[in-house]
Amino acid sequence: EAGVAQSPRYKIIEKRQSVAFWCNPISGHATLYWYQQILGQGPKLLIQFQNNGVVDDSQLPKDRFSAERLKGVDSTLKIQPAKLEDSAVYLCASSLVGRGTGDSPLHFGNGTRLTVT
Amino acid sequence: AQKVTQAQTEISVVEKEDVTLDCVYETRDTTYYLFWYKQPPSGELVFLIRRNSFDEQNEISGRYSWNFQKSTSSFNFTITASQVVDSAVYFCALSDLYNAGNMLTFGGGTRLMVKP
Repeated sequence: EAGVAQSPRYKIIEKRQSVAFWCNPISGHATLYWYQQILGQGPKLLIQFQNNGVVDDSQLPKDRFSAERLKGVDSTLKIQPAKLEDSAVYLCASSLVGRGTGDSPLHFGNGTRLTVT
Repeated sequence: AQKVTQAQTEISVVEKEDVTLDCVYETRDTTYYLFWYKQPPSGELVFLIRRNSFDEQNEISGRYSWNFQKSTSSFNFTITASQVVDSAVYFCALSDLYNAGNMLTFGGGTRLMVKP
């Protein structure tokens, strides 16, 4: 089966600019996640979608970050305006089911490496 | 709050040596899942194993084995006869099963370097 697709692979922007990342989960996967991985650290969850609804966005810096999954399939994550500390790899993951079960492990994409200068 | 600690930030071994990656976790939940993921230089996170808190049986898969000890809140990962292809960053992770589905709390990772 095709994996989780993410684009772009790399992005370099200046601080205060805007940027958007795209994710297409594995076909049929209802749950989609965005994680932020700062260099040398483990990934940190930003937001979880179940179909097109937000399940948890408690760790999303909502003053500058936004995410949507309008049709319950692919998703975009936007940063506006970017700060230096946003430099990280942004990982998208999907799973077949979400709340209430651990029977569907996450499948991760290759990530988008963002550098803010 | 959940927390995962991987005290070893970097380990270097010579090929064919055995190596153990440590993972200690904290959670107030009685039901939870533990995971190990591998992140090779290409960047993707590769799922290795998931264990639930009810099952403390150790598991072996080829050269990989996992030792889950609830009494010490540890879930250690051993690679037997390491190979150069095992070089990667390994992450231990924890999920609150019933409230958060597969939302994972990751440790900081252990970078394993296997030299020929």
